[in-house]
Amino acid sequence: QVQLVQSGAEVKKPGASVKVSCKTSGYSFKTFGISWVRQAPGQGLEWMGWINTYNGRPNYAHKFRDRVTLTTDTSTFTAYVEIRSLKFDDTATYFCARESPRSSYGMDVWGQGTTVFVSS
Amino acid sequence: DIQMTQSPSTLSAFVGDRVTITCRASQAISTWVAWYQQKPGKAPKLLIHKAVNLESGVPSRFNGSGSGTEFTLTISRLLPDDSASYYCQHYSNYAWTFGPGTKVEIK
Repeated sequence: QVQLVQSGAEVKKPGASVKVSCKTSGYSFKTFGISWVRQAPGQGLEWMGWINTYNGRPNYAHKFRDRVTLTTDTSTFTAYVEIRSLKFDDTATYFCARESPRSSYGMDVWGQGTTVFVSS
Repeated sequence: DIQMTQSPSTLSAFVGDRVTITCRASQAISTWVAWYQQKPGKAPKLLIHKAVNLESGVPSRFNGSGSGTEFTLTISRLLPDDSASYYCQHYSNYAWTFGPGTKVEIK
């Protein structure tokens, strides 16, 4: 079945970087783009960016353009999000999600989420 | 940038009630709206796409409608399992924007 499995929780200090992975299985990786969405504790969903898994081109939300990099490894069907210069308010759960043209570009399959805790 | 708002932010209803959540866009967006359900500690689940299309496997008591700037998600007969937060989302040119969410509680 289609699955997105994310890497485990991270604890980082302010100013550090973190890289979260999203390993996909059960479908053709290059056929569906991957978005990253974050959710701060008790808050709503925030779209961070999307990557075209066919050609590796990303599209970032304005807010994340300077500190976030989206990449893929097509040999392992894995997507990554790297966040640099971490701040306390980057503490959140980070989700990857598959974007599906068949669902009118809705996000039809999600990873389980990765908690990133930024603390000094 | 297009902003999405939702109302109410919280609602409380009885099992069996009809529940309606409204999502408004800051400008006309045709029908490029999806709806998600999220339960605590879980990833969101796609319910409706392109404003009115029920995602495969989603119960028919969920219904989406609207176009332009106003959209609604209706749960025809609320069940205990529907206790969750609901988010609308706009899509345009490989960019997505979520509404702030509506928390649905069971009385």
